[in-house]
Amino acid sequence: DAMVIQNPRYQVTQFGKPVTLSCSQTLNHNVMYWYQQKSSQAPKLLFHYYDKDFNNEADTPDNFQSRRPNTSFCFLDIRSPGLGDAAMYLCATSKEIGASGATDTQYFGPGTRLTVL
Amino acid sequence: DAKTTQPPSMDCAEGRAANLPCNHSTISGNEYVYWYRQIHSQGPQYIIHGLKNNETNEMASLIITEDRKSSTLILPHATLRDTAVYYCIVRVEAGTYKYIFGTGTRLKVLA
Repeated sequence: DAMVIQNPRYQVTQFGKPVTLSCSQTLNHNVMYWYQQKSSQAPKLLFHYYDKDFNNEADTPDNFQSRRPNTSFCFLDIRSPGLGDAAMYLCATSKEIGASGATDTQYFGPGTRLTVL
Repeated sequence: DAKTTQPPSMDCAEGRAANLPCNHSTISGNEYVYWYRQIHSQGPQYIIHGLKNNETNEMASLIITEDRKSSTLILPHATLRDTAVYYCIVRVEAGTYKYIFGTGTRLKVLA
């Protein structure tokens, strides 16, 4: 089954220690997104890639970076995690942006829950 | 600045239809309505989307009012596994990518 995979499902890091979360997709979608979801809150978009083009949300802290080495993989790097960065991180993909309701539909992975000690 | 309003919680008896309302009174002509659900500690799951017409798939039906200012997601025969937070999302504007999630409705299906 085509899908969005996130590894690991649970990640523990120490305050200030860089951490990388990974996402892969077998849907061959052009767009990959990263969201942050804190406890009891709705997901909040951090950034997205359309192919190799990176698009950052205006309010995403500089502490958060991303890499997309190829179509299938996308990484979220947190350079110096703080206690406030503990959250579920969700990766999503869509075939297109701004094309139609169907091709713009986003499909989410299971998420990585990050704990910062 | 979510563009949708949903009741914070609802209960539904198992086997009955669950009708989840969403108000999107500022929706514009080209904006789609999407519905997702999120079961505890999992990623959001796509359910259905629509523009003007009512839509049905194997999971649910979506009824959009004629003026498009509100919609209702219908789960025809709710099961315990349908217990989740349901999000109604209006894409910010046609031609952009952005979903803005509202606070969602926490649906509890009761045995």
